[in-house]
Amino acid sequence: IAGITQAPTSQILAAGRRMTLRCTQDMRHNAMYWYRQDLGLGLRLIHYSNTAGTTGKGEVPDGYSVSRANTDDFPLTLASAVPSQTSVYFCASSDSISGANVLTFGAGSRLTVL
Amino acid sequence: AQSVSQHNHHVILSEAASLELGCNYSYGGTVNLFWYVQYPGQHLQLLLKYFSGDPLVKGIKGFEAEFIKSKFSFNLRKPSVQWSDTAEYFCAVPRGAGSYQLTFGKGTKLSVIP
Repeated sequence: IAGITQAPTSQILAAGRRMTLRCTQDMRHNAMYWYRQDLGLGLRLIHYSNTAGTTGKGEVPDGYSVSRANTDDFPLTLASAVPSQTSVYFCASSDSISGANVLTFGAGSRLTVL
Repeated sequence: AQSVSQHNHHVILSEAASLELGCNYSYGGTVNLFWYVQYPGQHLQLLLKYFSGDPLVKGIKGFEAEFIKSKFSFNLRKPSVQWSDTAEYFCAVPRGAGSYQLTFGKGTKLSVIP
C-alpha cells in the first residue's frame, strides 16, 4: 500500500540523548515535511524539503535538523532532546510540482522526553 | 506569513444536528484552502480542498465548505452529523503566496453524542 512509513511508533527518551525519527515515502512525491502536534496548538511545521537535496525551516525549527539525501527518505534528528520536545511528530509528503499539493500524512511518532 | 484561525476549540453535538466550524485566514490573495480530519488514534486525512472555481466545495462523508473571499473564510459544514464524525478538524492554508508548505489552525475537536 502506497504511503508514508514512520519509525519508531513510540519512544521514551532521556533528556540530552540524540534521537532520529525516520520517514520513508513510496509515492515519489517531491516535497516532504515534518510537523509536531501538541494539545491546543495544532500542527506546527518544523522543517520541510521541496526536493531531494534541499531543506528549509518551518515555524519551530530550533533543536531539530533534517536531511534529504534522496526522494524517499526524510529523517528528523533531535541532537540533544529536551522535555519540551515531547510531542507527536507527523511526517507528510506532497506532489507540489503538479500543483495539487495535497499532503499525505504518516501515522505519527509519539516521543516522550524525560 | 499566512495565519489561520479556527473559532471553536471543542464542539459537542447530538447525532443529526447540523455542524458549522469556522475558519478564517489572513492572506487576501489567491489561496488554496484545505480541511483535514483526524479520527481518534489516526493520522490526518484530507476532507476537502478548494483551489479555484465554485466556492462551494464538497468533500468526503457529506462534508462541504464554502469559500467566502470577502470574509477571508472557509467554513466547514455538514447538515446532519453522525457519531462516526467524532474527530478533530483542522483548517489549513499555504504559509504564504506561492508557498507549498501548509499552516494549520489549532484544530476543533468535535464530539458527537449518540
